[in-house]
Amino acid sequence: EAGVAQSPRYKIIEKRQSVAFWCNPISGHATLYWYQQILGQGPKLLIQFQNNGVVDDSQLPKDRFSAERLKGVDSTLKIQPAKLEDSAVYLCASSLRRQATSTSTDTQYFGPGTRLTVL
Amino acid sequence: AQSVTQLDSQVPVFEEAPVELRCNYSSSVSVYLFWYVQYPNQGLQLLLKYLSGSTLVKGINGFEAEFNKSQTSFHLRKPSVHISDTAEYFCAVTPLSGGYNKLIFGAGTRLAVHP
Repeated sequence: EAGVAQSPRYKIIEKRQSVAFWCNPISGHATLYWYQQILGQGPKLLIQFQNNGVVDDSQLPKDRFSAERLKGVDSTLKIQPAKLEDSAVYLCASSLRRQATSTSTDTQYFGPGTRLTVL
Repeated sequence: AQSVTQLDSQVPVFEEAPVELRCNYSSSVSVYLFWYVQYPNQGLQLLLKYLSGSTLVKGINGFEAEFNKSQTSFHLRKPSVHISDTAEYFCAVTPLSGGYNKLIFGAGTRLAVHP
Protein backbone atom coordinates (compact mmCIF):
# COMPACT_ATOMS: atom_id res chain seq x y z
CA GLU A 1 0.00 0.00 0.00
CA ALA A 2 1.30 3.43 -0.93
CA GLY A 3 2.21 5.71 1.96
CA VAL A 4 1.54 9.39 2.54
CA ALA A 5 3.06 11.47 -0.23
CA GLN A 6 4.31 15.02 0.18
CA SER A 7 5.87 17.55 -2.15
CA PRO A 8 8.12 19.33 -2.47
CA ARG A 9 10.67 17.69 -0.18
CA TYR A 10 12.70 20.86 0.21
CA LYS A 11 11.90 24.54 -0.28
CA ILE A 12 14.00 27.66 0.27
CA ILE A 13 12.32 31.06 0.16
CA GLU A 14 12.93 34.57 1.39
CA LYS A 15 10.89 36.12 4.15
CA ARG A 16 7.62 37.71 3.08
CA GLN A 17 7.33 35.29 0.14
CA SER A 18 4.54 32.74 -0.18
CA VAL A 19 4.86 28.97 -0.24
CA ALA A 20 2.54 25.98 -0.58
CA PHE A 21 2.93 22.34 0.38
CA TRP A 22 0.96 19.42 -0.96
CA CYS A 23 -0.08 16.17 0.69
CA ASN A 24 -1.74 13.03 -0.66
CA PRO A 25 -2.90 10.73 2.18
CA ILE A 26 -3.21 6.97 2.16
CA SER A 27 -6.18 5.90 0.09
CA GLY A 28 -9.34 5.60 2.16
CA HIS A 29 -8.06 7.58 5.12
CA ALA A 30 -10.70 10.04 6.25
CA THR A 31 -8.52 12.06 8.61
CA LEU A 32 -5.58 14.23 7.57
CA TYR A 33 -3.19 16.15 9.81
CA TRP A 34 -0.56 18.83 9.26
CA TYR A 35 2.24 19.12 11.81
CA GLN A 36 5.04 21.65 12.15
CA GLN A 37 8.38 20.31 13.43
CA ILE A 38 10.85 23.03 14.37
CA LEU A 39 14.48 21.94 14.75
CA GLY A 40 15.03 20.44 18.20
CA GLN A 41 11.33 20.12 18.98
CA GLY A 42 8.67 17.50 18.56
CA PRO A 43 5.97 17.87 15.91
CA LYS A 44 3.13 20.23 16.75
CA LEU A 45 -0.35 19.80 15.25
CA LEU A 46 -1.37 22.73 13.07
CA ILE A 47 -4.64 21.52 11.63
CA GLN A 48 -6.74 18.36 11.42
CA PHE A 49 -9.32 17.53 8.76
CA GLN A 50 -12.07 14.94 8.89
CA ASN A 51 -12.90 14.36 5.21
CA ASN A 52 -12.97 17.95 3.91
CA GLY A 53 -14.02 19.62 7.17
CA VAL A 54 -11.73 21.15 9.79
CA VAL A 55 -12.03 19.60 13.27
CA ASP A 56 -9.06 21.27 14.97
CA ASP A 57 -7.11 24.33 13.87
CA SER A 58 -6.50 25.81 17.30
CA GLN A 59 -2.72 26.05 16.80
CA LEU A 60 -2.75 27.31 13.22
CA PRO A 61 -1.49 30.92 12.90
CA LYS A 62 -4.45 31.98 10.85
CA ASP A 63 -3.08 35.40 9.96
CA ARG A 64 -0.53 33.75 7.66
CA PHE A 65 -1.28 30.03 7.42
CA SER A 66 -4.16 28.47 5.54
CA ALA A 67 -5.04 24.93 4.57
CA GLU A 68 -7.67 23.20 2.54
CA ARG A 69 -8.68 19.68 1.70
CA LEU A 70 -10.85 19.75 -1.36
CA LYS A 71 -12.93 16.63 -2.10
CA GLY A 72 -11.70 15.06 1.13
CA VAL A 73 -8.50 13.67 -0.37
CA ASP A 74 -5.44 15.82 -1.16
CA SER A 75 -4.56 18.78 1.00
CA THR A 76 -2.58 21.98 0.56
CA LEU A 77 -0.96 24.04 3.32
CA LYS A 78 -0.02 27.62 2.48
CA ILE A 79 2.05 30.26 4.23
CA GLN A 80 1.63 33.86 3.14
CA PRO A 81 3.78 35.79 3.95
CA ALA A 82 6.52 33.63 5.44
CA LYS A 83 8.58 34.65 8.45
CA LEU A 84 12.00 33.45 9.56
CA GLU A 85 10.42 31.48 12.42
CA ASP A 86 8.42 29.41 9.93
CA SER A 87 11.59 27.49 9.05
CA ALA A 88 10.69 23.92 9.95
CA VAL A 89 9.73 20.53 8.58
CA TYR A 90 6.05 20.31 7.71
CA LEU A 91 4.71 16.82 8.17
CA CYS A 92 1.48 15.44 6.80
CA ALA A 93 -0.17 12.40 8.36
CA SER A 94 -3.36 10.46 7.79
CA SER A 95 -5.47 7.95 9.67
CA LEU A 96 -8.61 5.95 8.97
CA ARG A 97 -10.90 7.82 11.35
CA ARG A 98 -10.85 10.82 13.63
CA GLN A 99 -12.15 9.64 16.91
CA ALA A 100 -10.18 8.12 19.76
CA THR A 101 -12.49 5.99 21.89
CA SER A 102 -12.08 4.42 25.29
CA THR A 103 -10.76 1.23 23.71
CA SER A 104 -9.02 2.18 20.50
CA THR A 105 -7.37 4.85 18.48
CA ASP A 106 -6.18 4.85 14.89
CA THR A 107 -2.53 4.90 13.98
CA GLN A 108 -1.36 8.02 12.23
CA TYR A 109 0.87 7.39 9.21
CA PHE A 110 3.35 10.12 8.38
CA GLY A 111 4.78 11.33 5.11
CA PRO A 112 8.48 12.22 4.66
CA GLY A 113 7.86 15.92 5.26
CA THR A 114 8.75 19.15 3.50
CA ARG A 115 11.78 21.01 4.87
CA LEU A 116 11.19 24.77 4.60
CA THR A 117 14.01 27.26 5.00
CA VAL A 118 13.08 30.94 5.20
CA LEU A 119 16.01 33.32 4.61
CA ALA B 1 -3.94 20.09 28.81
CA GLN B 2 -1.30 17.48 28.14
CA SER B 3 2.48 17.66 28.02
CA VAL B 4 5.26 15.18 27.33
CA THR B 5 8.79 15.39 28.68
CA GLN B 6 11.62 13.34 27.25
CA LEU B 7 14.30 13.47 29.86
CA ASP B 8 17.31 13.00 27.60
CA SER B 9 17.89 14.98 24.43
CA GLN B 10 20.74 12.68 23.34
CA VAL B 11 21.69 9.15 24.30
CA PRO B 12 25.00 7.74 23.03
CA VAL B 13 25.44 3.99 23.35
CA PHE B 14 27.69 1.27 22.00
CA GLU B 15 26.40 -1.40 19.67
CA GLU B 16 24.90 -4.46 21.43
CA ALA B 17 24.49 -2.52 24.71
CA PRO B 18 21.05 -2.06 26.30
CA VAL B 19 19.32 1.29 26.15
CA GLU B 20 16.46 3.07 27.89
CA LEU B 21 14.86 6.26 26.60
CA ARG B 22 12.84 8.02 29.26
CA CYS B 23 9.44 9.65 28.85
CA ASN B 24 7.15 11.29 31.40
CA TYR B 25 3.77 12.83 30.69
CA SER B 26 1.28 15.09 32.37
CA SER B 27 -2.45 14.99 31.75
CA SER B 28 -5.69 15.69 33.61
CA VAL B 29 -7.48 13.01 31.56
CA SER B 30 -6.63 9.48 30.53
CA VAL B 31 -4.33 9.16 27.56
CA TYR B 32 -3.03 6.65 25.09
CA LEU B 33 0.78 6.52 24.82
CA PHE B 34 3.02 6.10 21.80
CA TRP B 35 6.62 5.88 20.73
CA TYR B 36 7.54 6.96 17.21
CA VAL B 37 10.94 6.71 15.45
CA GLN B 38 12.23 9.10 12.82
CA TYR B 39 15.15 8.04 10.65
CA PRO B 40 17.10 10.76 8.82
CA ASN B 41 15.10 12.42 6.06
CA GLN B 42 12.09 10.19 6.70
CA GLY B 43 8.70 10.59 8.30
CA LEU B 44 7.73 9.24 11.70
CA GLN B 45 7.07 5.53 12.07
CA LEU B 46 5.08 3.99 14.91
CA LEU B 47 7.20 1.75 17.17
CA LEU B 48 4.54 0.79 19.69
CA LYS B 49 1.49 2.04 21.54
CA TYR B 50 -0.22 1.49 24.88
CA LEU B 51 -4.00 1.61 24.99
CA SER B 52 -4.90 -0.65 27.92
CA GLY B 53 -4.16 -4.04 29.45
CA SER B 54 -0.65 -5.29 30.12
CA THR B 55 1.64 -2.44 31.05
CA LEU B 56 4.54 -3.98 29.11
CA VAL B 57 4.13 -3.33 25.42
CA LYS B 58 6.22 -4.91 22.70
CA GLY B 59 6.83 -3.13 19.43
CA ILE B 60 8.75 -3.48 16.21
CA ASN B 61 12.52 -3.91 15.89
CA GLY B 62 12.86 -5.48 19.35
CA PHE B 63 11.73 -2.41 21.30
CA GLU B 64 9.43 -2.53 24.31
CA ALA B 65 7.99 0.04 26.68
CA GLU B 66 6.48 -0.08 30.13
CA PHE B 67 3.60 2.08 31.27
CA ASN B 68 3.77 3.21 34.88
CA LYS B 69 0.61 5.05 35.86
CA SER B 70 1.75 6.09 39.33
CA GLN B 71 4.91 7.68 37.92
CA THR B 72 3.20 8.84 34.71
CA SER B 73 6.05 7.35 32.72
CA PHE B 74 6.37 5.35 29.52
CA HIS B 75 10.04 4.46 29.11
CA LEU B 76 11.31 2.75 25.96
CA ARG B 77 13.87 -0.04 26.17
CA LYS B 78 15.86 -2.35 23.97
CA PRO B 79 18.15 -5.06 25.38
CA SER B 80 20.71 -4.89 22.56
CA VAL B 81 20.92 -2.05 20.06
CA HIS B 82 22.23 -2.06 16.50
CA ILE B 83 23.85 0.63 14.41
CA SER B 84 20.62 0.79 12.42
CA ASP B 85 18.74 1.96 15.53
CA THR B 86 20.43 5.34 15.26
CA ALA B 87 17.51 7.76 14.90
CA GLU B 88 15.33 10.29 16.70
CA TYR B 89 12.71 8.82 19.03
CA PHE B 90 9.54 10.64 20.02
CA CYS B 91 7.17 9.89 22.86
CA ALA B 92 3.59 11.08 22.35
CA VAL B 93 0.15 10.98 23.97
CA THR B 94 -3.42 11.18 22.73
CA PRO B 95 -6.12 12.26 25.19
CA LEU B 96 -9.17 10.02 25.28
CA SER B 97 -11.59 12.88 25.84
CA GLY B 98 -12.37 15.15 22.92
CA GLY B 99 -12.19 12.22 20.54
CA TYR B 100 -9.95 14.02 18.11
CA ASN B 101 -7.09 11.51 17.96
CA LYS B 102 -4.64 14.39 18.48
CA LEU B 103 -0.97 13.53 19.11
CA ILE B 104 1.06 15.65 21.56
CA PHE B 105 4.77 14.98 21.19
CA GLY B 106 7.81 15.32 23.38
CA ALA B 107 10.91 17.09 22.08
CA GLY B 108 12.60 13.86 21.06
CA THR B 109 15.66 11.85 22.05
CA ARG B 110 18.46 11.34 19.60
CA LEU B 111 19.87 7.83 19.93
CA ALA B 112 23.38 7.46 18.56
CA VAL B 113 24.69 3.90 18.37
CA HIS B 114 28.45 3.62 18.03
CA PRO B 115 30.45 0.58 16.86
